Amino acid sequence: DADVTQTPRNRITKTGKRIMLECSQTKGHDRMYWYRQDPGLGLRLIYYSFDVKDINKGEISDGYSVSRQAQAKFSLSLESAIPNQTALYFCATSDPGSDNEKLFFGSGTQLSVL
Amino acid sequence: QKEVEQNSGPLSVPEGAIASLNCTYSDRGSQSFFWYRQYSGKSPELIMSIYSNGDKEDGRFTAQLNKASQYVSLLIRDSQPSDSATYLCAVNMFGYGNNRLAFGKGNQVVVIP
Repeated sequence: DADVTQTPRNRITKTGKRIMLECSQTKGHDRMYWYRQDPGLGLRLIYYSFDVKDINKGEISDGYSVSRQAQAKFSLSLESAIPNQTALYFCATSDPGSDNEKLFFGSGTQLSVL
Repeated sequence: QKEVEQNSGPLSVPEGAIASLNCTYSDRGSQSFFWYRQYSGKSPELIMSIYSNGDKEDGRFTAQLNKASQYVSLLIRDSQPSDSATYLCAVNMFGYGNNRLAFGKGNQVVVIP
């Protein structure tokens, strides 16, 4: 089945370390997103990309960067991780040509920054 | 005002009853509204979308939209234990110049057998 795959599923790192979360998709969708989820705060958009040459900041982009290496790959980097970046991170895709803004989510990456 | 608000605390309903969830949003230009279901430890999945005022029914789920009052609701009829999950309201914030979804914090539903 066409899918959205996130790696790693879990990661524990230390403050100040650089870390990359990866996302790949076989859905053929142009649009890709990175969200973080915190208890009581819901899903918040970090970055999004509508095609390979398009990168946009979301509502909480500070401390993060992204790279859209190909249509199918969208990675999220934390240049210098800090404890309040501990969260559950989701990658998602959407196809604007079909159900408007229907998001397909990956399984998530639980990140803990110590 | 938060872009999308879901203020109700955890909702406990007996099996077979109706669960009612509400959501308000701030952007009057929004045109697309969604409900996602998220089981504990899993990723969100879309269960309903609605674009026009009124009701939209899909099986045991009914979404209701009132753009004048800027609220959208979700009714779950004949609630089943498998409906126990967190329900996220999402709104397309097109009116802000960038076409993106904003999510509420979610409402947890517990269906008691």
